[in-house]
Amino acid sequence: EAGVAQSPRYKIIEKRQSVAFWCNPISGHATLYWYQQILGQGPKLLIQFQNNGVVDDSQLPKDRFSAERLKGVDSTLKIQPAKLEDSAVYLCASRGVRGATEAFFGQGTRLTVV
Amino acid sequence: QQPVQSPQAVILREGEDAVINCSSSKALYSVHWYRQKHGEAPVFLMILLKGGEQKGHEKISASFNEKKQQSSLYLTASQLSYSGTYFCGISFQGAQKLVFGQGTRLTINP
Repeated sequence: EAGVAQSPRYKIIEKRQSVAFWCNPISGHATLYWYQQILGQGPKLLIQFQNNGVVDDSQLPKDRFSAERLKGVDSTLKIQPAKLEDSAVYLCASRGVRGATEAFFGQGTRLTVV
Repeated sequence: QQPVQSPQAVILREGEDAVINCSSSKALYSVHWYRQKHGEAPVFLMILLKGGEQKGHEKISASFNEKKQQSSLYLTASQLSYSGTYFCGISFQGAQKLVFGQGTRLTINP
């Protein structure tokens, strides 16, 4: 079974530039999460999708972050414009049907804003 | 809603035991334990459900105390490979939302 794929692995941008991350979840997984993990901290949930609908985006800074999951499969997370404090690893995870199932994480995208 | 983990960091010698705790202020439905090594993605260890008590295998196990709204991860006779940061993730009844604690860094020395 293929895992969660993310790209790019690394990205360096200047502040005020825009950036986009891509995630392809495990086939058939309805739930998709985007997390932000700042160095030394736990993953912080930014947004959760169920199929192509947003279930929770309470922690997403909506003035600069946006995310979509077209057709309930792939997802993109965008930051525009980026700030220095956005430097972090952005993790995508997917999960199967409702109930007690584990979430599988991708390798993440390490973003450095300079 | 973020769970609180304790301790924040542990340093052990190989062969020693460790306990990591995860507490919630809200009634839990499930607790997920992950280990993350530096520069890598979190790796799933186990999941505990409301109504269940203990799970795992000989060396790594966990318990779930519904009344106290907490879970504990037990690492017995630790090995060098156990080093990493351990995270608990929690979900609530009727929701797939998965919220993680701040992590516990475990260092195992020879």
